[in-house]
Amino acid sequence: AQSVTQPDIHITVSEGASLELRCNYSYGATPYLFWYVQSPGQGLQLLLKYFSGDTLVQGIKGFEAEFKRSQSSFNLRKPSVHWSDAAEYFCAVGGSYSSASKIIFGSGTRLSIRP
Amino acid sequence: EPEVTQTPSHQVTQMGQEVILRCVPISNHLYFYWYRQILGQKVEFLVSFYNNEISEKSEIFDDQFSVERPDGSNFTLKIRSTKLEDSAMYFCASRPGQAKDTQYFGPGTRLTVL
Repeated sequence: AQSVTQPDIHITVSEGASLELRCNYSYGATPYLFWYVQSPGQGLQLLLKYFSGDTLVQGIKGFEAEFKRSQSSFNLRKPSVHWSDAAEYFCAVGGSYSSASKIIFGSGTRLSIRP
Repeated sequence: EPEVTQTPSHQVTQMGQEVILRCVPISNHLYFYWYRQILGQKVEFLVSFYNNEISEKSEIFDDQFSVERPDGSNFTLKIRSTKLEDSAMYFCASRPGQAKDTQYFGPGTRLTVL
């Protein structure tokens, strides 16, 4: 079955520090991978996506993610976080298994920023 | 930039009542979706809609749920007889066409069932 695991429920980092949010997926076919961000009371905004090609993907707001097929991982990174990055981050997988390309979300990682 | 819109932003209803959640997908998009997020939990797929019919649905999407695209712009989710456990944030999404295309999400409708 397709699934996404985000092992960290809540992470706190200091402003200016680097960030890495972990994501592991299970998907039998070639996965399409996504990171979405959700600010409190807001909808879901796409940060970045991976479909094929270069395994290091650049996104908006200075985020990047690296697809590692051997580890079934798609970790999100940012070299220096800003207070405005405090939000909930969802890793997600979709693709060819689903005719309608539904997206399967992980349970999310809540990011807090220490001043 | 075009965006998906949803109305209302918050709906309060009594248990057993019918509710209709409305979405206006991005024009010229072909695939439409509903997802829900129970408070504190992950976002879950409910249903996808293409070419005026359901293309895929989850176990959550039982007979109490229905979707419709009554005209060329709106996409609705109806819950026939709401239960307490239907309380959640409901997100609509749309995408242009190909599987690789991004799904664009609306801001959500918070449904509270009392």
